[in-house]
Amino acid sequence: KQEVTQIPAALSVPEGENLVLNCSFTDSAIYNLQWFRQDPGKGLTSLLLIQSSQREQTSGRLNASLDKSSGRSTLYIAASQPGDSATYLCAVSPGGYNKLIFGAGTRLAVHP
Amino acid sequence: GAGVSQSPRYKVAKRGQDVALRCDPISGHVSLFWYQQALGQGPEFLTYFQNEAQLDKSGLPSDRFFAERPEGSVSTLKIQRTQQEDSAVYLCASSSLPLAGGLSHEQFFGPGTRLTVL
Repeated sequence: KQEVTQIPAALSVPEGENLVLNCSFTDSAIYNLQWFRQDPGKGLTSLLLIQSSQREQTSGRLNASLDKSSGRSTLYIAASQPGDSATYLCAVSPGGYNKLIFGAGTRLAVHP
Repeated sequence: GAGVSQSPRYKVAKRGQDVALRCDPISGHVSLFWYQQALGQGPEFLTYFQNEAQLDKSGLPSDRFFAERPEGSVSTLKIQRTQQEDSAVYLCASSSLPLAGGLSHEQFFGPGTRLTVL
């Protein structure tokens, strides 16, 4: 059974720091991996989608990497800002029609 | 529409009451998913539709949960005889079909319906 783990569960950093969020999964046979952001009381916003054949994706200050063989992904956030404060969720698709299996998330707080 | 919409946004039900949650996916999206998110946890898969066909309902926690998408667009998640453990946020997501070559599309999520069962 595929399990997704995110470390750390919570993180508090001063504004301007570069930071790394970690995601691991137990079964390397994935179709893709997606990083989401969730603000309190809101739905999920897709940040980056990495296909199984890709190693990384970049969007602005965000960079996500994927190492399928080791079952790991990292989300790198450069020059963090208070507006980055949210919960970041990692999800993998085990194949087929793109059903997602989520980790529990990392709650990020960036303080001025 | 511009995004996935869900209604109601908040629902309070008494234990034993039936509830119906609605999802309007992005126009033209073939795939529709329902997820359940407990407080402090990541979403968990409930069921999947491709057009009007329910291809996977393996995540539905009990036979009190029922979902439909009769015309391949709007979907309804119904919970009968609600219990306190059903309290959660119910998220709907949609995506288009995979591209040729196996590439897949990202899922777009609605704001969710927060269900509280008293």
